[in-house]
Amino acid sequence: GAVVSQHPSWVICKSGTSVKIECRSLDFQATTMFWYRQFPKQSLMLMATSNEGSKATYEQGVEKDKFLINHASLTLSTLTVTSAHPEDSSFYICSALIASFVGDEQFFGPGTRLTVL
Amino acid sequence: AQSVTQLGSHVSVSEGALVLLRCNYSSSVPPYLFWYVQYPNQGLQLLLKYTTGATLVKGINGFEAEFKKSETSFHLTKPSAHMSDAAEYFCAVSEKDNFNKFYFGSGTKLNVKP
Repeated sequence: GAVVSQHPSWVICKSGTSVKIECRSLDFQATTMFWYRQFPKQSLMLMATSNEGSKATYEQGVEKDKFLINHASLTLSTLTVTSAHPEDSSFYICSALIASFVGDEQFFGPGTRLTVL
Repeated sequence: AQSVTQLGSHVSVSEGALVLLRCNYSSSVPPYLFWYVQYPNQGLQLLLKYTTGATLVKGINGFEAEFKKSETSFHLTKPSAHMSDAAEYFCAVSEKDNFNKFYFGSGTKLNVKP
């Protein structure tokens, strides 16, 4: 199946710094990617939909200036957590969409664990 | 908005025993339904999905799930657990008019005892 990678797999940073997380589709092109976050023992929550060449669409309650998304190519979307604070510590997961005549399917990356001290 | 409930954050079964992971959703309009599995340090992998048609859906690795509209449920089963089934399982739904917006359950970690 299609493979999606994320880098880094984990990151620890100081409060106030910015952190960039990359999401890559390795063997296919994805015009649409999604970013989720997951708190311990909770559901994955959709943060935003990232479309190549256009602005991301953010879910209600997600600060677009806090979580900057750039989908500059058909194989790469980045999520930058700006001025990170401890409450931003979470597990961030991306997915890439493959559309086909048999139906769309999302392929998920392995996630990035962010810890803000 | 949709909500998805997975009863039991941890389920433990013996190898060879039946696996039953429960999932209920809140929508009054039947959505699309999915089960994903996540192995350690890997991405979510689609096990099976229900969109239309037969309500009993067969997936990979011997898993199947049945959509029951009257019970708003989509429970995942496997007749005989294998050690390699130990992983975390997520149920998800999406709306028919917004297929790509997923709502996930909180996950169930399956432990398989030898």
